Amino acid sequence: DAGVIQSPRHEVTEMGQEVTLRCKPISGHNSLFWYRQTMMRGLELLIYFNNNVPIDDSGMPEDRFSAKMPNASFSTLKIQPSEPRDSAVYFCASSLGGATNTGELFFGEGSRLTVL
Amino acid sequence: RKEVEQDPGPFNVPEGATVAFNCTYSNSASQSFFWYRQDCRKEPKLLMSVYSSGNEDGRFTAQLNRASQYISLLIRDSKLSDSATYLCVVFPPTGGYQKVTFGTGTKLQVIP
Repeated sequence: DAGVIQSPRHEVTEMGQEVTLRCKPISGHNSLFWYRQTMMRGLELLIYFNNNVPIDDSGMPEDRFSAKMPNASFSTLKIQPSEPRDSAVYFCASSLGGATNTGELFFGEGSRLTVL
Repeated sequence: RKEVEQDPGPFNVPEGATVAFNCTYSNSASQSFFWYRQDCRKEPKLLMSVYSSGNEDGRFTAQLNRASQYISLLIRDSKLSDSATYLCVVFPPTGGYQKVTFGTGTKLQVIP
């Protein structure tokens, strides 16, 4: 079975440009998460969707960040305009919620973003 | 105090050694705990859950100490392939995902 699929795997862009990261969760999973990982701060939860609805976006750094989940199989994280401090690895993860929830999050391979 | 704290390491240990990591958490009402493993430049993957009664999986043992608010991971007979960063994960009292907190990880390097 396919795992969580993220694209692009790597992105190098210049300050001020728009960046869009994409995620396809595991089929049947109803929870989706966007995390950001840096050496200094570790893994930080940016936003969490349940059944395509944003539940908690308190981790989104500022208005430059936005995330959408138009359907159960696709989500985007957009940064506009990008800044050098946004450079990080962005992970998307999905999970099967509900009574069968084991607490396991399945991560994609990540999108490594470098903003020059 | 941070919600979840780990010693970043690195822990450099020879093959065959036993090594243990601790992870402290601040919310005494936290319900669920896990250890994840992250290889260099890879995504985190679930290693094992941490139950109140302890949990053993081969060379790995995870334990929970609620009184002192920490979880531990013990690795016996370390292998080169165990080299990775180990993240502890704490789920909030409500059981929801909103405040799932990852520790910053403990790096383990097993040396030949």
